[in-house]
Amino acid sequence: EDQVTQSPEALRLQEGESSSLNCSYTVSGLRGLFWYRQDPGKGPEFLFTLYSAGEEKEKERLKATLTKKESFLHITAPKPEDSATYLCAVQGNRDDKIIFGKGTRLHILP
Amino acid sequence: DTEVTQTPKHLVMGMTNKKSLKCEQHMGHRAMYWYKQKAKKPPELMFVYSYEKLSINESVPSRFSPECPNSSLLNLHLHALQPEDSALYLCASSQEGPVAGNTDTQYFGPGTRLTVL
Repeated sequence: EDQVTQSPEALRLQEGESSSLNCSYTVSGLRGLFWYRQDPGKGPEFLFTLYSAGEEKEKERLKATLTKKESFLHITAPKPEDSATYLCAVQGNRDDKIIFGKGTRLHILP
Repeated sequence: DTEVTQTPKHLVMGMTNKKSLKCEQHMGHRAMYWYKQKAKKPPELMFVYSYEKLSINESVPSRFSPECPNSSLLNLHLHALQPEDSALYLCASSQEGPVAGNTDTQYFGPGTRLTVL
């Protein structure tokens, strides 16, 4: 069965304190791994799609990386406006649906 | 432009009411999705329309009835809902949809916050 596990569940950082969020996955043939940002009461905002191990993508203070077992979302010098829940999802060959992890709630303190 | 719009933003309804949620995208995407999301949980897939045909129904109760009038519009008709159906309902769209071997990024709308009394 395809599975996605995100850690930590919640993370509090000081402004400027860099860190990484983890997404571990088990999937039968990875077609794509997706990162989304979600603010409370709003829809997920697309950040990145990664397709194969070794791939990296960057957007402002965020950088996503992918290995055969996990993905990291690195946040460099975060600001309070980066506070949100970050969702990871995967799509495998077994199923056409995407499987979401439970998310990491990130809180950046000013 | 990667915008998906949803109306209304908020909806309060009684258990005997009939209401509809609406979703629209103008990105030329051929697949549209309905998800349900409870607080502090990930989105749960309900329905997928691909090329205006229902391709996935995740065993959703019949009190939820989807409709895809054209490739840009998606509705979710609600009837005789229960209080436990209160949630954030999300619409998403993607270029092609669940085609075997395809990797298809989904773009989400802002959601409709539904409260059933």
